[in-house]
Amino acid sequence: DVKVTQSSRYLVKRTGEKVFLECVQDMDHENMFWYRQDPGLGLRLIYFSYDVKMKEKGDIPEGYSVSREKKERFSLILESASTNQTSMYLCASSPGTGVAKNIQYFGAGTRLSVL
Amino acid sequence: AQKITQTQPGMFVQEKEAVTLDCTYDTSDQSYGLFWYKQPSSGEMIFLIYQGSYDEQNATEGRYSLNFQKARKSANLVISASQLGDSAMYFCAMRVRAGGTGNQFYFGTGTSLTVIP
Repeated sequence: DVKVTQSSRYLVKRTGEKVFLECVQDMDHENMFWYRQDPGLGLRLIYFSYDVKMKEKGDIPEGYSVSREKKERFSLILESASTNQTSMYLCASSPGTGVAKNIQYFGAGTRLSVL
Repeated sequence: AQKITQTQPGMFVQEKEAVTLDCTYDTSDQSYGLFWYKQPSSGEMIFLIYQGSYDEQNATEGRYSLNFQKARKSANLVISASQLGDSAMYFCAMRVRAGGTGNQFYFGTGTSLTVIP
């Protein structure tokens, strides 16, 4: 089974702190994604990565950065956390182009509260 | 523009009945994929079913089937014989090619399904 693991289920941080959300997948997937989920807004893409050291901005990249130094790990960084970044963060991975179904698999999510 | 629309914020269904969750999509790409995910209150997104744009037959996975009408750009999820454990949020999603060698996924705003005993 594909496994996408997010380092924390719940996280409480203070305004201005630098926050790291880690995501690891064990299926050698090419593509990895970070979303945030807010009630009534569905999932919004923050960043995605096609390959190691490659990244692309999604719909709402402001206030976030990412790092992908190894294929299996994709980190989301909140440079200076703000209260409007309180949300559910979901990491996902997919095999990549060339795979017929190219299904996206998700981690369990991290509920971040910024106080 | 790429877009997924789910117009039913909440749905109720009697246990053992069938229910249809609506999804329409918009894309100018010829090759795309359509997905449905289930999100229970625990928060994890669970993949349910997939339909490719070139697939001629509707996808089925156990009690789930995807009613794919390409000309109408709709991809409705049908759950047969509803169970209490089906109570959850359901998201429709679309995969299209993005720049470079990657893919991008677009999600609807979700439908909250409640199964009544």
